[in-house]
Amino acid sequence: AQTVTQSQPEMSVQEAETVTLSCTYDTSESDYYLFWYKQPPSRQMILVIRQEAYKQQNATENRFSVNFQKAAKSFSLKISDSQLGDAAMYFCAYRSRAGNMLTFGGGTRLMVKP
Amino acid sequence: GAVVSQHPSWVICKSGTSVKIECRSLDFQATTMFWYRQFPKQSLMLMATSNEGSKATYEQGVEKDKFLINHASLTLSTLTVTSAHPEDSSFYICSASYRGTDTQYFGPGTRLTVL
Repeated sequence: AQTVTQSQPEMSVQEAETVTLSCTYDTSESDYYLFWYKQPPSRQMILVIRQEAYKQQNATENRFSVNFQKAAKSFSLKISDSQLGDAAMYFCAYRSRAGNMLTFGGGTRLMVKP
Repeated sequence: GAVVSQHPSWVICKSGTSVKIECRSLDFQATTMFWYRQFPKQSLMLMATSNEGSKATYEQGVEKDKFLINHASLTLSTLTVTSAHPEDSSFYICSASYRGTDTQYFGPGTRLTVL
């Protein structure tokens, strides 16, 4: 079974600075998807970014980018120019290409200091 | 696009009663819907997966008779918590995906409080 680990329960960043959230996963599969979801205080889960394992190029979405290291099974999220609205819980998630279930990490609470 | 709604957003009920939560995909046909439970300050725990027109597949440890899931159409799934007890109080989140996508789209969640 796949497992997803987020080793940082909490992180804080100064507004306008850059922060990196860590995620590692364990799988024996070679083809899969990885996601970062944001859950703000409203608790609505919002997709931040997705990565396909067979693509070597790191995904980017505006201020959000990932560092995908397949051999190391690492999938970190970098948030540039942090904004107050980035404060939220961030969940890393894994999905097998063959399946449809998401396996979530335990989450990282990001605080943004003005 | 890919908007999922849930209703109600918050429900309070008495112990022993049943509560139904609706999950709707508003602008796409959801071939698969998922139900999660989230305790405070914890991650999402998958309860069950349902495909339209089929019986739901429940995760280990989730009581099928207590958490009834129906996915009768391509835009609607319901979760009924039967004979609710205080320990069933939690935040319930649904998500949906459509054929050809690898992404789940989440509803806003329903907070259930059982008195």
